[in-house]
Amino acid sequence: GDSVTQMEGPVTLSEEAFLTINCTYTATGYPSLFWYVQYPGEGLQLLLKATKADDKGSNKGFEATYRKETTSFHLEKGSVQVSDSAVYFCALELGGGFKTIFGAGTRLFVKA
Amino acid sequence: DTAVSQTPKYLVTQMGNDKSIKCEQNLGHDTMYWYKQDSKKFLKIMFSYNNKELIINETVPNRFSPKSPDKAHLNLHINSLELGDSAVYFCASKGGPYNEQFFGPGTRLTVL
Repeated sequence: GDSVTQMEGPVTLSEEAFLTINCTYTATGYPSLFWYVQYPGEGLQLLLKATKADDKGSNKGFEATYRKETTSFHLEKGSVQVSDSAVYFCALELGGGFKTIFGAGTRLFVKA
Repeated sequence: DTAVSQTPKYLVTQMGNDKSIKCEQNLGHDTMYWYKQDSKKFLKIMFSYNNKELIINETVPNRFSPKSPDKAHLNLHINSLELGDSAVYFCASKGGPYNEQFFGPGTRLTVL
């Protein structure tokens, strides 16, 4: 079935370190891919998205490229800040946009 | 200016009780969702609605009954609550020029 697999956390980094959170997916058809971020005590917020192969989504210094050949959508940021500490979810959207499947989430801690 | 609001924010109740969670969006979106997030942060879709019509029911027990009185509201009623229902429930809506999903702040349900 359709699924999203992302690297287990928690990921702990020092401020200004490089971040990669891996995400791979399994899907029939051609899904849209997303990264969402959840800060403590809040709902999810869309971070970035890509709707077709080779698209690059970017926002707030984060970026991810839709790689159809490797079925991946890895999240990267060149220099993390303490304020980036949150849980990050990779997701795919199917079914005409009515069904979103989320990965298990990866918690990121950034130390000052 | 809250885009997606949920009430209550916290709900503590006894096993066997019936409870409701309300959700309202003021974004004019056609599509709304209910998600369940467990203690390990795993997020799973429960229902999606479009224009008040049920589109997806992800094999949720029939103790859970969503109701959409109009496009701006999607309420969730739960009968005969069980311990395993304890979780954070998120409402979301989708639409707009970027077809983005917006999440509510969540309702933390604790069943004792």
